[in-house]
Amino acid sequence: DAGITQSPRHKVTETGTPVTLRCHQTENHRYMYWYRQDPGHGLRLIHYSYGVKDTDKGEVSDGYSVSRSKTEDFLLTLESATSSQTSVYFCAISVAGSRPEAFFGQGTRLTVV
Amino acid sequence: GENVGLHLPTLSVQEGDNSIINCAYSNSASDYFIWYKQESGKGPQFIIDIRSNMDKRQGQRVTVLLNKTVKHLSLQIAATQPGDSAVYFCAESALSGGYQKVTFGIGTKLQVIP
Repeated sequence: DAGITQSPRHKVTETGTPVTLRCHQTENHRYMYWYRQDPGHGLRLIHYSYGVKDTDKGEVSDGYSVSRSKTEDFLLTLESATSSQTSVYFCAISVAGSRPEAFFGQGTRLTVV
Repeated sequence: GENVGLHLPTLSVQEGDNSIINCAYSNSASDYFIWYKQESGKGPQFIIDIRSNMDKRQGQRVTVLLNKTVKHLSLQIAATQPGDSAVYFCAESALSGGYQKVTFGIGTKLQVIP
């Protein structure tokens, strides 16, 4: 999986609680992404990062924040989890912004009850 | 994820036959078109991409065809094997603010019949 580790792999949390998902890469790639995957919607971009402390919003960013303090780590935070955020979350990395090829982690299954 | 295959278009193919997975895209300005494979419980895996100025590209046992006139993309898998069973996503990519913004389709589930 191209040196990408997501943690935790599974999490169940209660509505209203904060949750942080972690993505760690060993490839030193500049670009990192967080996607969510839901049946009928495919993969949708939440946030992405193009360098340390450089992040931007994707198409479904409401309710999510991210941080990247080191090249290798990209954190996704749900400030106050809602049931609509139950999903599988994937982190991805890419070598260069000019090329579309991305490498994905194994995913984190998050359930908000 | 494990449930990604639910409610998806499904293609059933006999082992050894060729598979053709089709995709329609929407953005005429896309720079690249990409195919990903996702096995149950795993993240998507890059298969092959094609630049918008090409109409065909071949990889190992796979061929991608691009028809810009009708905005259609296809992935052909030769001699389909049981290990090819997965969900296949097409995606289109356009340069946006210095990076390739990728939009994924909902996927097609490929079932290989032994």
